[in-house]
Amino acid sequence: GDSVTQMEGPVTLSEEAFLTINCTYTATGYPSLFWYVQYPGEGLQLLLKATKADDKGSNKGFEATYRKETTSFHLEKGSVQVSDSAVYFCALSSGGYNKLIFGAGTRLAVHP
Amino acid sequence: GAGVSQSPSNKVTEKGKDVELRCDPISGHTALYWYRQRLGQGLEFLIYFQGNSAPDKSGLPSDRFSAERTGESVSTLTIQRTQQEDSAVYLCASSPAGASSEKLFFGSGTQLSVL
Repeated sequence: GDSVTQMEGPVTLSEEAFLTINCTYTATGYPSLFWYVQYPGEGLQLLLKATKADDKGSNKGFEATYRKETTSFHLEKGSVQVSDSAVYFCALSSGGYNKLIFGAGTRLAVHP
Repeated sequence: GAGVSQSPSNKVTEKGKDVELRCDPISGHTALYWYRQRLGQGLEFLIYFQGNSAPDKSGLPSDRFSAERTGESVSTLTIQRTQQEDSAVYLCASSPAGASSEKLFFGSGTQLSVL
């Protein structure tokens, strides 16, 4: 069945460092791909999405490109801030409706 | 108006008891989803409602789990004869029509602890 694999955390970075969180997927058909973020004490919220191959989703300085050839959707940010500390979840939609299959999540800790 | 609301926010119960978890989706959202998040793990899909029907309940772990939705609004997830492995955060989400590229709006979850 469909699945999402993302790099294990925690990822610990200094402020202004470059961030990459790897995400690969297995799916039949052409899923939409998402990154969700869970800040401490808050609920999950959508960070960005891409709906077809070569699309780039972007928001708050984060970017991810839908790569069909490598079945990947890696999350990147050029310069992280302390406020980016959170758990990041990669997900795909499956089944023609918005049934999301999530990765296990990657905890990011950014230190001043 | 308000976002997705879940109650209770925390529930502690004894093994073997039944529990009911409630979700109030955003008004007008026809699609509603339940997920489970065990400690340190990703979210597991449980069930999907379109209106009051559940075309996909493939994620319900056992027949101890059931869910219903009424009035194309409130949904209740019921766990019978709770077990310790049921301890998790149960998240509800809604979206306007359930299309595959839509944004899901999540509630803050119910933290269930089974002693």
